[in-house]
Amino acid sequence: DAMVIQNPRYQVTQFGKPVTLSCSQTLNHNVMYWYQQKSSQAPKLLFHYYDKDFNNEADTPDNFQSRRPNTSFCFLDIRSPGLGDAAMYLCATSRDHGSSWNEQFFGPGTRLTVL
Amino acid sequence: ELKVEQNPLFLSMQEGKNYTIYCNYSTTSDRLYWYRQDPGKSLESLFVLLSNGAVKQEGRLMASLDTKARLSTLHITAAVHDLSATYFCADFGSYGKLTFGQGTILTVHP
Repeated sequence: DAMVIQNPRYQVTQFGKPVTLSCSQTLNHNVMYWYQQKSSQAPKLLFHYYDKDFNNEADTPDNFQSRRPNTSFCFLDIRSPGLGDAAMYLCATSRDHGSSWNEQFFGPGTRLTVL
Repeated sequence: ELKVEQNPLFLSMQEGKNYTIYCNYSTTSDRLYWYRQDPGKSLESLFVLLSNGAVKQEGRLMASLDTKARLSTLHITAAVHDLSATYFCADFGSYGKLTFGQGTILTVHP
């Protein structure tokens, strides 16, 4: 089945220790998104890639970076995690973002704990 | 600033009862999404509403969209325990950006 896969599902890191979260998709979608969802809050968009074009949200901290080496994979790098970065990180994809092909499909998420 | 507001934020229902969750949004978008989220899980797409007057139904859930009123509703018919979850509506903005409502935590009890 075509799907969005996130690894790992649970990640524990130490304060200040860089961490990378991974997302892959078999849908061959053009757009990949990263959302942060803190406890009891709505998901918040961090950034997205349209193909190789990176789009950062204005309020996304510099501590968060992303890479998309190819269509299938997208990574979220947190350079120096703080306690406030503990959250569920959701990856999503859509075929396009300017047409009717913009429904977003979410991966299972990675739960990040910062000690 | 894009705003999406859900009402109510907490909903405790008895099994078998009906209720409606409301979603107001501030843009002129004609697309609105509903998602379900179980505790500790990701988002599951429920409905994609693509035009004014759109109505979609799946089981005990029915969603509608009124773009003139900038209002979407999620109606629950004869609630069952399995429907207990958090429900989000999301407005589609430019460049695929979804703006989510605060979420409605639904608890269905006997």
